Amino acid sequence: AQSVTQLGSHVSVSEGALVLLRCNYSSSVPPYLFWYVQYPNQGLQLLLKYTSAATLVKGINGFEAEFKKSETSFHLTKPSAHMSDAAEYFCAVSERSNYQLIWGAGTKLIIKP
Amino acid sequence: DAGVIQSPRHEVTEMGQEVTLRCKPISGHDYLFWYRQTMMRGLELLIYFNNNVPIDDSGMPEDRFSAKMPNASFSTLKIQPSEPRDSAVYFCASSFWGDETQYFGPGTRLLVL
Repeated sequence: AQSVTQLGSHVSVSEGALVLLRCNYSSSVPPYLFWYVQYPNQGLQLLLKYTSAATLVKGINGFEAEFKKSETSFHLTKPSAHMSDAAEYFCAVSERSNYQLIWGAGTKLIIKP
Repeated sequence: DAGVIQSPRHEVTEMGQEVTLRCKPISGHDYLFWYRQTMMRGLELLIYFNNNVPIDDSGMPEDRFSAKMPNASFSTLKIQPSEPRDSAVYFCASSFWGDETQYFGPGTRLLVL
């Protein structure tokens, strides 16, 4: 069965610093991979997705993620954090056979002024 | 498109009462997912439908929970009788064949007293 591991339930960075949120997956087939963001009291919103095209995927709000097959990773990065990036971020992998997404536990990003 | 619509946005009820949550997926989407989100258990898939047919309800916690999709534009999640431990945010999401991206509604925040 597929699984997703997000390292760190909370990540704290200073405004202007690099953001790195880690996601590792296990999958027996080439996966589709997703990052979603959830702002307080809102639903989940797609940030970016990997569907076997370019390994470096650019998303909204300056975020990007790189698919590394050898490391089974799909880490999310942003060069310079902004206060508005404070939210919870979820990594997910697709079970290609049935359209379900397997979700990580989420990482809460805290931005220090 | 208006996106996924959920109602009500907030529901406060007393233990033992019946609760009905409603969802209107994005027009043209043929997959519909019901999730529950709590601090303790994170994001859990309860049930999902394809072309109005329930495909996997293994995440439904108990017989007190039931879900229906009478047509392509409407689904309900019912809890009868409700219990305090059902307090959570319930999300509906939809997707369409060929694109495994799930689009989330704003959620229903349920509090059972």
